[in-house]
Amino acid sequence: AQSVTQLGSHVSVSEGALVLLRCNYSSSVPPYLFWYVQYPNQGLQLLLKYTSAATLVKGINGFEAEFKKSETSFHLTKPSAHMSDAAEYFCAVSVTGYSTLTFGKGTMLLVSP
Amino acid sequence: DTGVSQNPRHKITKRGQNVTFRCDPISEHNRLYWYRQTLGQGPEFLTYFQNEAQLEKSRLLSDRFSAERPKGSFSTLEIQRTEQGDSAMYLCASSLGSSTDSPLHFGNGTRLTVT
Repeated sequence: AQSVTQLGSHVSVSEGALVLLRCNYSSSVPPYLFWYVQYPNQGLQLLLKYTSAATLVKGINGFEAEFKKSETSFHLTKPSAHMSDAAEYFCAVSVTGYSTLTFGKGTMLLVSP
Repeated sequence: DTGVSQNPRHKITKRGQNVTFRCDPISEHNRLYWYRQTLGQGPEFLTYFQNEAQLEKSRLLSDRFSAERPKGSFSTLEIQRTEQGDSAMYLCASSLGSSTDSPLHFGNGTRLTVT
């Protein structure tokens, strides 16, 4: 079985600062890894995905994530935070594509002026 | 592409009552998924359909839960004899196929409150 651990239920940054959201996974087989964002009262939107191609994955809105097998990590970063980035972010793992995603508990990103 | 539509957006019901939610996927999408999200947790997989066939069900889907997708179009999720622990956001998603080139498109969810 696979699992995801997101370190920190809340992360606060100032506008313009680096964003780093941490995700560690556990999987017995090579995983597919995803980051989703959820704005209040909305569904989840895919930010980026890792599917065993390039280890550095670029997504939408300037976000990127790096797959590190040795550390079983898939941390999400953005060089400069914007107020509109404030939302909840979920890391997810799957071993069968999209069918049965296992999500982490989420990290709420707070951006202050 | 009008997106995944879920109705109702909110449902308040008394314990013991039955409730039914509806999900209309993106029209050409053949896969449809149900997830449940409780406060402070990430979404948890419940079940998914390919066309009208229900291919997988999570252990979370107790006997009180039933999902259908007649004719491979919209889907309904029914909860019988609701309990307070059923209070959650129920999310529907759809995709075209199952490969990692076909991402899930999520609806805005139905929030259920059981009093």
